[in-house]
Amino acid sequence: EAQVTQNPRYLITVTGKKLTVTCSQNMNHEYMSWYRQDPGLGLRQIYYSMNVEVTDKGDVPEGYKVSRKEKRNFPLILESPSPNQTSLYFCASSLQHSGANVLTFGAGSRLTVL
Amino acid sequence: KNQVEQSPQSLIILEGKNCTLQCNYTVSPFSNLRWYKQDTGRGPVSLTIMTFSENTKSNGRYTATLDADTKQSSLHITASQLSDSASYICVVSARMDSSYKLIFGSGTRLLVRP
Repeated sequence: EAQVTQNPRYLITVTGKKLTVTCSQNMNHEYMSWYRQDPGLGLRQIYYSMNVEVTDKGDVPEGYKVSRKEKRNFPLILESPSPNQTSLYFCASSLQHSGANVLTFGAGSRLTVL
Repeated sequence: KNQVEQSPQSLIILEGKNCTLQCNYTVSPFSNLRWYKQDTGRGPVSLTIMTFSENTKSNGRYTATLDADTKQSSLHITASQLSDSASYICVVSARMDSSYKLIFGSGTRLLVRP
């Protein structure tokens, strides 16, 4: 089944403890992206990747890092999480980043930072 | 400033009734507009995508309209079912140099009651 898989789905952590949220897609998509979703706000882009080894900042990149060493994986790294990073995170991918390509989203990762 | 505004924020209807969700945008230059359905605890799933020249597009009981002159779109749901309970997100794509920028609305939360 074509899908985007995120792990973990739920995580509670403490301030300053590094964590990684993994994202993997099996559709050979070139474009991958991370979003966060907070109540009352639309999805906001954190980082995106047009292809392997090509990553760029989105609208809210502060406090996050990413890497794209292989096509299928795009992990999101929080080096020193803070409470304001408590949110629902979505990874998404598309064949290419064009006007017509539709994003396929993962199921989401709910992160709580105490 | 590129913005996407959705109304109402939330809506409750009885099963079998119709409803219409609104999306107004101030995005330029416009590339396309998409409607996504997001079930609770899941990632958004694409319902329709419309380009500048398309006025109406249907996907089963979902019909999206686009008025590019007034920069408004609507999503009409016919004969609602309990499974239509979800958040509906309007996403507008803006052409930026050689790339695209997606601007997300904050969504309309629909609850269909028996």
